[in-house]
Amino acid sequence: DGGITQSPKYLFRKEGQNVTLSCEQNLNHDAMYWYRQDPGQGLRLIYYSQIVNDFQKGDIAEGYSVSREKKESFPLTVTSAQKNPTAFYLCASSPRTGDGYTFGSGTRLTVV
Amino acid sequence: RKEVEQDPGPFNVPEGATVAFNCTYSNSASQSFFWYRQDCRKEPKLLMSVYSSGNEDGRFTAQLNRASQYISLLIRDSKLSDSATYLCVPRTFGNEKLTFGTGTRLTIIP
Repeated sequence: DGGITQSPKYLFRKEGQNVTLSCEQNLNHDAMYWYRQDPGQGLRLIYYSQIVNDFQKGDIAEGYSVSREKKESFPLTVTSAQKNPTAFYLCASSPRTGDGYTFGSGTRLTVV
Repeated sequence: RKEVEQDPGPFNVPEGATVAFNCTYSNSASQSFFWYRQDCRKEPKLLMSVYSSGNEDGRFTAQLNRASQYISLLIRDSKLSDSATYLCVPRTFGNEKLTFGTGTRLTIIP
């Protein structure tokens, strides 16, 4: 079955460490996105990519980095420059036809 | 004005009742609309897509009012499993980004 897979489901990070969140899709979607959600809040866009080897900053890109070397994969790195990284991270993808997103099941990142 | 505005609720509704809530959007160029439901600590899941005046899928009906720039979601014969947060998301042609509001929280009471 086609879908979008995020891993790990839970991630614990020490302060000052970089961590990378994985996002893989087999839906043949062109566009991929990373959102962050804090408790009781809406989704905020971190980065998005419409084609391979190209990506754009979203509303809260500071302290994050991404790559898009393959159509299927869009990993997100949370760097030590991100001052408050504890959150629920959601990856999504969509075709270029204007349909809605398909979301992965998310990664909960906690700084310890 | 925010791009998307929804009443955050919570709406507490008895099981079996009909409930409706609205979503207003600011960009008159928005052409398609999506309703997502998000359960607690889970990812949003697409509930319904609206490309014209409205859409109906079983107990769920979405109505679009372009003149007043709002879209509504009606849930008939509500069930306990309908308890969730409902997110309204407008989309503009050529803009690959979707802006999510904080959603409307619905609780169905037995």
